[in-house]
Amino acid sequence: AQSVTQLDSQVPVFEEAPVELRCNYSSSVSVYLFWYVQYPNQGLQLLLKYLSGSTLVESINGFEAEFNKSQTSFHLRKPSVHISDTAEYFCAVTPRTGFQKLVFGTGTRLLVSP
Amino acid sequence: SAVISQKPSRDICQRGTSLTIQCQVDSQVTMMFWYRQQPGQSLTLIATANQGSEATYESGFVIDKFPISRPNLTFSTLTVSNMSPEDSSIYLCSVRRGQGNGGELFFGEGSRLTVL
Repeated sequence: AQSVTQLDSQVPVFEEAPVELRCNYSSSVSVYLFWYVQYPNQGLQLLLKYLSGSTLVESINGFEAEFNKSQTSFHLRKPSVHISDTAEYFCAVTPRTGFQKLVFGTGTRLLVSP
Repeated sequence: SAVISQKPSRDICQRGTSLTIQCQVDSQVTMMFWYRQQPGQSLTLIATANQGSEATYESGFVIDKFPISRPNLTFSTLTVSNMSPEDSSIYLCSVRRGQGNGGELFFGEGSRLTVL
């Protein structure tokens, strides 16, 4: 079975500051990793994902995440946040093979203030 | 991509009643997923609904409490039966696009239920 830990339930940050949202996972098999974002009063949407290849993946709005197998981590980073980045961010994991559910972390609320 | 419509978007229900949530997808899909997002908690998969067969329930969820219908490849319903305040939650319908487990999950905007 897989599990995901997001230690920070809430991360307050000022606009234009850098941010890192932490995600650690546990799995006995190889996995795919995802970050989903939920903006206020909206549904969840995929931000980025790691399937294979380069361990650094990027989103279209400036976020990036790096897969670190030895540390079983997939932290999300952005060098300069905007007010519009205020949202709930969920890390998720699923095994690479066989049908398995997507397991989500408890989420991190990013609060960007001016 | 996938466009998923859920109804109702929110409702306030009385203890002991049942409510059916509808999920409509803009294209045919083999599997539809129902998740629950309780206040302050993560998303938890309730069940996977396949067209033409019984839904597959995750540990802790049973058909009597959460009956699911899947009459065709674009539609599903989830019923929350005999509700109690502990069932107050956001219920989300989801479908996967792409190959295998690496495909992207698309979600509806959710149905927020409050049970009094």
